Amino acid sequence: KAGVTQTPRYLIKTRGQQVTLSCSPISGHRSVSWYQQTPGQGLQFLFEYFSETQRNKGNFPGRFSGRQFSNSRSEMNVSTLELGDSALYLCASSLGYSSSGELFFGEGSRLTVL
Amino acid sequence: QKEVEQNSGPLSVPEGAIASLNCTYSDRVSQSFFWYRQYSGKSPELIMSIYSNGDKEDGRFTAQLNKASQYVSLLIRDSQPSDSATYLCAVNQGGKLIFGQGTELSVKP
Repeated sequence: KAGVTQTPRYLIKTRGQQVTLSCSPISGHRSVSWYQQTPGQGLQFLFEYFSETQRNKGNFPGRFSGRQFSNSRSEMNVSTLELGDSALYLCASSLGYSSSGELFFGEGSRLTVL
Repeated sequence: QKEVEQNSGPLSVPEGAIASLNCTYSDRVSQSFFWYRQYSGKSPELIMSIYSNGDKEDGRFTAQLNKASQYVSLLIRDSQPSDSATYLCAVNQGGKLIFGQGTELSVKP
């Protein structure tokens, strides 16, 4: 069974640009959650999508957005990049809601903003 | 106050000792609690879940929950160098899975 796949794995952008990250969940999983991981703040919840609907959102500015497609694949977008957006972005899938706790994480997309 | 708090460590224990990792949470109505392990350069993986007050054992791992004190802990018995990792506490709060910053554990041979 294939795991959670995130693309791209690494990317470098400059301030003001935008970026789109992709996540393909485990087959059959309907929930996709996104987290930002930094050394200073740890794992911070961005949002969760379930059956194409945003179910929950964390405390991030509106520059962070996401969506989920009918095949459960998800994308997140960050517009007007800032230096502080440099982080590892982790996607996690689960069979049911993420609050069930059984999340399967992808390897992450490491974003560097210059 | 952070929603889920952990000592960042590093916590260093000798091989064979008991490692004790602690976590406190702010939302009194939280009902489900989880421990994830994250090796350096890897993604987190679920190792334990606990829902009721008391202890839950799984091999060398024991999770402990005290809802009155809003406290969760993870004990690792007979610690091995392969247990060296960052341990993340996660709490279901308001339908979201909120993670602590993690405690880095180092097991010295």
